[in-house]
Amino acid sequence: DQQVKQNSPSLSVQEGRISILNCDYTNSMFDYFLWYKKYPAEGPTFLISISSIKDKNEDGRFTVFLNKSAKHLSLHIVPSQPGDSAVYFCAASLHPNAGKSTFGDGTTLTVKP
Amino acid sequence: ETGVTQSPTHLIKTRGQQVTLRCSSQSGHNTVSWYQQALGQGPQFIFQYYREEENGRGNFPPRFSGLQFPNYSSELNVNALELDDSALYLCASSPGTNRQYFGPGTRLLVL
Repeated sequence: DQQVKQNSPSLSVQEGRISILNCDYTNSMFDYFLWYKKYPAEGPTFLISISSIKDKNEDGRFTVFLNKSAKHLSLHIVPSQPGDSAVYFCAASLHPNAGKSTFGDGTTLTVKP
Repeated sequence: ETGVTQSPTHLIKTRGQQVTLRCSSQSGHNTVSWYQQALGQGPQFIFQYYREEENGRGNFPPRFSGLQFPNYSSELNVNALELDDSALYLCASSPGTNRQYFGPGTRLLVL
């Protein structure tokens, strides 16, 4: 049973528009959520995180929203840039140990110039 | 400051063999986690080491074992390799906070 799901394997958006990546989880014990970006031949790179005590966290062009009642989070990228093209992983953990995270299968984002 | 490094980058083994993968943590990081990423899937947590002691384990059999050394470098050992062990193996180090930093991974192919 997959506890973290990213139901869209791929997403394509135009440069300058908004990218919205979604993630659902089933384990209500998760209280810390992270997004990672992964380029080919590199390890995942931390992008942004959110604790369950918040419903929104912003960092520049990246915003993560958390809806605990729906067990759903989303990553918004505004405006999208071609360099954002990568695989995005959603991960969940029991705070504060992000090192034992449960990952989704990723969404491949393509930003077209 | 050097990042997390892993060796080797690629490896080919045959079924039944044993393999050791290595990870050098980022300076000052006392926690290391290992993940297995099969093709088309997300990373799956194997285990974590904190100050040379195992600190949690995912749903992996005992033939997956690890070590963390006093300098906080780490090894992942897999015995009796199976075809399904073919994957990208990632290590991630952490200074004990809620951030972890991944290495580039070792791609293992079991024939």
